[in-house]
Amino acid sequence: ILNVEQSPQSLHVQEGDSTNFTCSFPSSNFYALHWYRWETAKSPEALFVMTLNGDEKKKGRISATLNTKEGYSYLYIKGSQPEDSATYLCAFGPSNTGKLIFGQGTTLQVKP
Amino acid sequence: GAVVSQHPSRVICKSGTSVKIECRSLDFQATTMFWYRQFPKQSLMLMATSNEGSKATYEQGVEKDKFLINHASLTLSTLTVTSAHPEDSSFYICSATTGEYEKLLFGSGTQLSVL
Repeated sequence: ILNVEQSPQSLHVQEGDSTNFTCSFPSSNFYALHWYRWETAKSPEALFVMTLNGDEKKKGRISATLNTKEGYSYLYIKGSQPEDSATYLCAFGPSNTGKLIFGQGTTLQVKP
Repeated sequence: GAVVSQHPSRVICKSGTSVKIECRSLDFQATTMFWYRQFPKQSLMLMATSNEGSKATYEQGVEKDKFLINHASLTLSTLTVTSAHPEDSSFYICSATTGEYEKLLFGSGTQLSVL
């Protein structure tokens, strides 16, 4: 059974703090690793799709790294803002079929 | 821009009734749509993959006669929960792609409550 684990499950930080989350996934049969940002009552918003070992991607204050050999990805948020409050999902794609295996998510709460 | 519109966002129904959930792609043609389900405090779980004009492919453990999926056009896929029971109460969400699997767009989900 393919399993994707995210940690921590939830996180409370102060505005301005930097934070990071972990996504662990199977290191075999890797095709892609997706990160999504999901606010309540909205659609999950794609942040990054990474396919190559060593990939590093950045979008504003958010960045992500990928290690396919050991099966983990980190998501970093620099200088957290209240609007960063959301659930961050990672999803492992074992093939190019578009099927994704999701982690349970990390819920971030940024206090002003 | 390209978005996926999912309706209804919330539905409450009586046990034994059927419920239809629609997922529409706006400003793009969705060759493939995926349907996921999420129980409380669990991760999104893939239920089925539907390709336009062909039968859906169901994941192991998902009853195809209970969860009817239709993808008759490039912009619309529907999930019908037939004879719904309280254990079918869950959050259902769709995603769609043009075939570039790196670009998946999600609907906003449907919370189904079966009384």
